[in-house]
Amino acid sequence: QVQLVQSGAEMKKPGASVKVSCKASGYTFTSHWMHWVRQAPGQGLEWMGIINPNGGTTLHAQKFQGRVTITRDTSTSTVYMELGSLRSEDTAVYYCARDVSTSVDGMSGWWFDTWGQGTLVTVSS
Amino acid sequence: SSELTQDPAVSVALGQTVRITCQGDSLRSCYASWYQQKPAQAPVLVIYTKNNRPSGIPDRFSGSSSGNTASLTIAGARAEDEADYYCSSRDSSGSHWVFGGGTKLTVL
Repeated sequence: QVQLVQSGAEMKKPGASVKVSCKASGYTFTSHWMHWVRQAPGQGLEWMGIINPNGGTTLHAQKFQGRVTITRDTSTSTVYMELGSLRSEDTAVYYCARDVSTSVDGMSGWWFDTWGQGTLVTVSS
Repeated sequence: SSELTQDPAVSVALGQTVRITCQGDSLRSCYASWYQQKPAQAPVLVIYTKNNRPSGIPDRFSGSSSGNTASLTIAGARAEDEADYYCSSRDSSGSHWVFGGGTKLTVL
């Protein structure tokens, strides 16, 4: 079955960087784009960016421009999200989620069909 | 526009039907998807593309769409349906994805 397994919790100081991994299994890694989504404590879901494992093309939310780097390693079916210049507001659970898309009745649809278990990143001095 | 708007909280009596809505310009050209999230758990997909349910999602969950509004309906709500629900779609620009602010569903 499709599975996304993320790396463990991290504690970082302000100004540092964190790199979270997401290992995919149960499907052809290069056939599905992968998203990163985060959730601050008590807050909603926030889309961060996406990578096409087939080629490495990425898109990022404007908010994270210049601070986030999403990469992939096709040899290990792993996607990485690195966030730099960390501040306390970056304390959140970070999720990877697999992208699926289709077109029905002339309209497109995208959805996140499988999610990783989440990685808590705590930023504190 | 890159915003999706949801009511922050909705309540429903046990066994009754509840509709959760999501509004945004992107929904005129892109179907919404819906996610259920319980405390300390990852979100779970419940509805995608018009009115499709992943395997394992009960048929009391259904979706619909009209104009700039998507809706998630739960018919015969159960105690275990109490959760946060989020809608999502691709932004009108095509270069971003967005989530609604989430709706906290309370089953009374």
